[in-house]
Amino acid sequence: QVQLVQSGTEVKRPGASVKLSCKASGYLFTSYYVHWVRQAPGQGLEWMGVINPNGGTTIYAQRFQGRVSVTRDTSTATVYMELSSLRSEDTAMYYCARAPNVYGSGRSWFDPWGQGALVTVSS
Amino acid sequence: DIVMTQSPDSLAVSLGERATINCKSSQSVLYTSNNKNYLTWYQQKPGQPPKVLIYWASTRESGVPDRFSGSGSGTDFTLTISSLQAEDVAVYYCQQYYSTSPITFGQGTRLEI
Repeated sequence: QVQLVQSGTEVKRPGASVKLSCKASGYLFTSYYVHWVRQAPGQGLEWMGVINPNGGTTIYAQRFQGRVSVTRDTSTATVYMELSSLRSEDTAMYYCARAPNVYGSGRSWFDPWGQGALVTVSS
Repeated sequence: DIVMTQSPDSLAVSLGERATINCKSSQSVLYTSNNKNYLTWYQQKPGQPPKVLIYWASTRESGVPDRFSGSGSGTDFTLTISSLQAEDVAVYYCQQYYSTSPITFGQGTRLEI
């Protein structure tokens, strides 16, 4: 079955960077865009960016420009999201999610989602 | 940015009754070339990632009970649960995918019994 499995919990100091992974299985990796969405504790959903695994092109939300980098490794069907200059407000659950709308150039609903990776930023 | 505004923020409905959640976008999410509304609805239960219920504003995802339905076009959309079940207690989000600069979500609606 189509599945996205994310790396585990991270605890980071302010100013540090974190790199999360999202391993895809059950489908042709290069055919579907992968998005990253985060959710602060008790809060709503916030879109961060998207990658086209076929070629590696990315689009990022303006508010994360310069701090976020999404990459992929086609040999392992894994997408990575690195967020730098961490601050306490970056404490959140981070999700990767596949975009099923193959004709949308990334413009899609998300299904499935990874299980999430909790990142805690604290001194 | 396309701002998505849901109403109400929270909602209490009796078992078996109808629940209605609204979502309004700050600009149209109807793509005229294919006449599709780039709007989806998710259900999120505690400790779980969101689950897609509806996409293209009114297409029910496979396996989603038919008591869930989506309607609307342009800027105004509605998620309806025709007969509330106990397992429907969750937070519901709308999301537009008309623009990826950025993709945006509503603030969420908490549905309780």
